This record gives sequence, C-alpha cells and structure tokens, in this order.
Amino acid sequence: AQSVTQLDSHVSVSEGTPVLLRCNYSSSYSPSLFWYVQHPNKGLQLLLKYTSAATLVKGINGFEAEFKKSETSFHLTKPSAHMSDAAEYFCVVKGNTGNQFYFGTGTSLTVIP
Amino acid sequence: DAMVIQNPRYQVTQFGKPVTLSCSQTLNHNVMYWYQQKSSQAPKLLFHYYDKDFNNEADTPDNFQSRRPNTSFCFLDIRSPGLGDAAMYLCATSRPSGRAQYFGPGTRLTVL
Repeated sequence: AQSVTQLDSHVSVSEGTPVLLRCNYSSSYSPSLFWYVQHPNKGLQLLLKYTSAATLVKGINGFEAEFKKSETSFHLTKPSAHMSDAAEYFCVVKGNTGNQFYFGTGTSLTVIP
Repeated sequence: DAMVIQNPRYQVTQFGKPVTLSCSQTLNHNVMYWYQQKSSQAPKLLFHYYDKDFNNEADTPDNFQSRRPNTSFCFLDIRSPGLGDAAMYLCATSRPSGRAQYFGPGTRLTVL
C-alpha cells in the first residue's frame, strides 16, 4: 500500500529564511511523488513532481524537493520564504495500480514578516 | 490555456434540496476525479472516472452521485444535502498512469 506522512502540521518561518516541509512516503515500488500548494479558498496547484528521473526536482516559485530512497523522504524546500508562500502544502503519492493518488494530511505554512 | 473549470465557485443550497456541481476540462484527460475537502483537512476522494468507467470509493455515501456525459464534462450530484456536506468540492483530471493531477479552483458548498 502507498501512503505519505507529513511530519509537521504547522510550520512557521520568518520572511527571507529557508523553508523545509517534511514528507515521508511508504511504497513497495518506485513511486511518483508530488507537492501541491493550496491558498485559502482556492484549488490545488502543482508545485513539482518526481517520476523516477532526477532525484532533485525543481518546481515553480523557487521550490525544490529531493527524492531520497534510502530515507523514503521527499522534503520540500525553498531558500528564502516570501509572504505569498503562506498556504497549505500537500505531499501526494500515486498508487502503482489504477488512477488513485494518496494525500498527506497537509502542512500549514505561516510566513512572519 | 488548457484548464479545469468548476461552476459555480460558490453554491448555497437548503437542507435536503438537490444540488449539482459542474466540472469541465480542456486538457483532454481520460481520468476525472471528485474530492470533498472540509476545513483544515486533506481532500477526500469521492469517486473517479476513467473514460466512462466509474470508480466509487467504498466510503462515499449513496447521497453522492456522478455523471460523465463526455470526455470534457463531469457532474457531482448531491441528492439530499445535509449540514455535514458543506465543504469545498474539488474536481481534478489526469492521464491514465498519469504523472500528475490538475485541479480546478473548487466549488464552496454551503448548506442552510
């Protein structure tokens, strides 16, 4: 079975400091992993995806994530937080059969001015 | 631009009064999904279509139904909305064995 665990329900950083949002996955095969961002009352926007190519994945808005098989992790990072990054972030793994995606419980990012 | 569109963005209905939410896509993706998202929670999959093939989640209440008349459109019907059905409803699409889902902006449903 596939699943993801987002290790922090809330993260608070100061503007201009680095962001780290943690995600661990469970999968019996090489997974497809995604990070989505959701601003209040909006849909989910794809930030980046890992699909068994390069392990360091660059996404939109300066975000990137590194796939580490040995640690079963796919943490999301950004060197310098911006006020507009304040949102909910979801780590998602795709199932190896069918068309289902499995969501983490989300991490709420607060950016302090 | 290719996209996923949901209408309306905000829907108010009365307790027990049927309501239909609409989703359309210009991505020509085979798979369409409906999620329910309550406040401060992750989206919960209700069902999805692979072309005309309907796949219902085991814990989706019978009160929720869906129709997909063609590739572009998919509808969510709530036959008798209860107060607990108030939520954001998200439509998403993907290719089969697809690399990502693409989401619409959501419909915020209020039940009075």
